[in-house]
Amino acid sequence: GEDVEQSLFLSVREGDSSVINCTYTDSSSTYLYWYKQEPGAGLQLLTYIFSNMDMKQDQRLTVLLNKKDKHLSLRIADTQTGDSAIYFCAESIGGSARQLTFGSGTQLTVLP
Amino acid sequence: SAVISQKPSRDICQRGTSLTIQCQVDSQVTMMFWYRQQPGQSLTLIATANQGSEATYESGFVIDKFPISRPNLTFSTLTVSNMSPEDSSIYLCSVLHSGTGGGTDTQYFGPGTRLTVL
Repeated sequence: GEDVEQSLFLSVREGDSSVINCTYTDSSSTYLYWYKQEPGAGLQLLTYIFSNMDMKQDQRLTVLLNKKDKHLSLRIADTQTGDSAIYFCAESIGGSARQLTFGSGTQLTVLP
Repeated sequence: SAVISQKPSRDICQRGTSLTIQCQVDSQVTMMFWYRQQPGQSLTLIATANQGSEATYESGFVIDKFPISRPNLTFSTLTVSNMSPEDSSIYLCSVLHSGTGGGTDTQYFGPGTRLTVL
C-alpha cells in the first residue's frame, strides 16, 4: 500500500537552511508535491517535482528527489520566521493528482 | 491556480446536530474533494464530489454521515451529520486544477473549516 513518512519536528535558527525529508513507497508515483500549512489555514501548494527529475529550484526552495531510494527533500534557504508552519509531502497515485497520499507533516519552527 | 473559499471558517456545535460546510471556487472545475484533518494529524480523504453524479466515498466514510452536494462546477457542500466530539476536526475542500504548459494537474485547497463539537 501507499505510505508517506516524514519526521514530525524540525527547529532551525533564522537565516539557516532547513531541510525537510520525506520517504514514499509507491514506485509508480509520477509527481510529488510539497504543501505548507500555516496555523489556522488551509494547505498552500509550494512546489512539485516530476519523477524523472532529480532537482527543482524555485527561489529559496530546492526539491531533491532520489527515486532509487524513494526519498524526497525540501530545502528552504535563508529560513525566516514566516516559514514556521507544517510542511506536508504528498505523492500522486497512478500518475494523477486525483489521488494524493499525504505524509504526517513536519512542524518547522524557526528560532530567532 | 484556483481561489477557493469555505464557509464557515469555524464553528462550535452541540452533539447530535448537523453542520453544512460550503466550498466555492472561482473557476469551473470537474473534480472537488473533501478532506478531514483531525487534531495533529495529516489529511484523510472523505470523498470525491463530481458534478452530476453521486460522490465517491473512501473506506470508513458513508453518505449518511457525510452527505455531499455538487450542484454545479464551482460549488460543493459537505454536511457533518449527527455530530459527536470525535468529529472535531478541520474540514478542507480542494479542487483538481488542470495543468497548463505541460505541467501536471494539481490540487488546490481551501482555507478549511475548524469544527469543534461539544
